[in-house]
Amino acid sequence: AIQLTQSPSSLSASVGDRVTITCRASQGINSALAWYQQRPGKPPNLLIRDASRLESGVPSRFTGSGSVTDFTLTISSLQPEDFATYYCQLTNTYSLTFGGGTRLEIK
Amino acid sequence: QVQLVQSGAEVKKPGASVRVSCKASGYTFTDYDIYWVRQVSGQGLEWMGWINPHSGNSGYAQKFQGRVTMTRETSTSTVYMEMRSLRYEDTAVYYCARGRKYDYVWGNYRYVLDYWGQGTLVTVSS
Repeated sequence: AIQLTQSPSSLSASVGDRVTITCRASQGINSALAWYQQRPGKPPNLLIRDASRLESGVPSRFTGSGSVTDFTLTISSLQPEDFATYYCQLTNTYSLTFGGGTRLEIK
Repeated sequence: QVQLVQSGAEVKKPGASVRVSCKASGYTFTDYDIYWVRQVSGQGLEWMGWINPHSGNSGYAQKFQGRVTMTRETSTSTVYMEMRSLRYEDTAVYYCARGRKYDYVWGNYRYVLDYWGQGTLVTVSS
């Protein structure tokens, strides 16, 4: 089974910073990757699918890129509401696989 | 607006069973699969399985096969997840989510979870 490895597992940053989170697949998945944001005590929220396609209503400061095995989620200018945990998900199978998560904390 | 509303928190003893409900509204219930994902406190997301509300067909992660059953009631647009033989390590928040299946290109389907329930905390404690 394909595995997704996220790095770093946690990250400290300040409001206004640019941050990048990485998700690596154990084998090639083309662009079959989604990103979710989960704020504390809330369910996850779909941000991006097909590696780079922003969902409706998601701020443009979020950017997804990558293909095959290496993917990134970049937040161009952190806002207070962006401090959350981010997960990647393999989308080319109905048996879902998630990455381990990246917790983004305020410095 | 699409909503998934789950049943309330449960406290169960080891070995008992629990059933969590997920009531859908704001869309055609039978048009989308429902997935269940759980999250142990402080840990990541774990996929448990899915159910097709139209056919009633379901599929489960190997870890949960034989211990979890997902069913649906189309008259009330509700999906149920039952877990048996509960263990301490099953203490977690259980989420239902609507699965969006789309044709990326030429029958190459992809699956994302576009709406989520609020989560149900199941605590297994003696």
